[in-house]
Amino acid sequence: EPEVTQTPSHQVTQMGQEVILRCVPISNHLYFYWYRQILGQKVEFLVSFYNNEISEKSEIFDDQFSVERPDGSNFTLKIRSTKLEDSAMYFCASSVGRRKFFGPGTRLTVL
Amino acid sequence: KQEVTQIPAALSVPEGENLVLNCSFTDSAIYNLQWFRQDPGKGLTSLLLIQSSQREQTSGRLNASLDKSSGRSTLYIAASQPGDSATYLCAVITQGGSEKLVFGKGMKLTVNP
Repeated sequence: EPEVTQTPSHQVTQMGQEVILRCVPISNHLYFYWYRQILGQKVEFLVSFYNNEISEKSEIFDDQFSVERPDGSNFTLKIRSTKLEDSAMYFCASSVGRRKFFGPGTRLTVL
Repeated sequence: KQEVTQIPAALSVPEGENLVLNCSFTDSAIYNLQWFRQDPGKGLTSLLLIQSSQREQTSGRLNASLDKSSGRSTLYIAASQPGDSATYLCAVITQGGSEKLVFGKGMKLTVNP
């Protein structure tokens, strides 16, 4: 069964550094998403992406965040200048209907 | 603003019990509700999706029901096994043009052998 994949599985960075989290959605899916889960808290929506543009974003998704689909397969989330509070598990998801399929996540640790 | 609640936050049971996991949501105008399983430190595995027009969905030992008007869903797990130990999350998509899932905090299930 096709799966959403994410790399790396764990990223450690210094505060103020830029990070790029990578995802390969399921190949025939049209909608792509990023969610995050701070330890012990709910999974929160960050952004949705359709037809090569952001279709919706949350208040969390400020100017420090950006997304890109640089080619036909990858979907990336960039955080320009990381903060301690960005430490979380970041999940990529994709869908073709309304059922969403999630990747295994990237654990981001900001020191 | 849609809020999703799962009570209790944790449940510990002996193997073999039939379980009911509860989920409630404040805005009944939903497109669908999805149940997920999350193992420690891992991603989210989709278990069942119920469309707003449906009352229930079944997959193996799992059965999810939806009462949209009262803002509730339940996930039934029959004959629980230690391998069912995980955190179970429910999430909804609310009508109004958004595609985002709004999640509950999850219920941590421990099934003891």
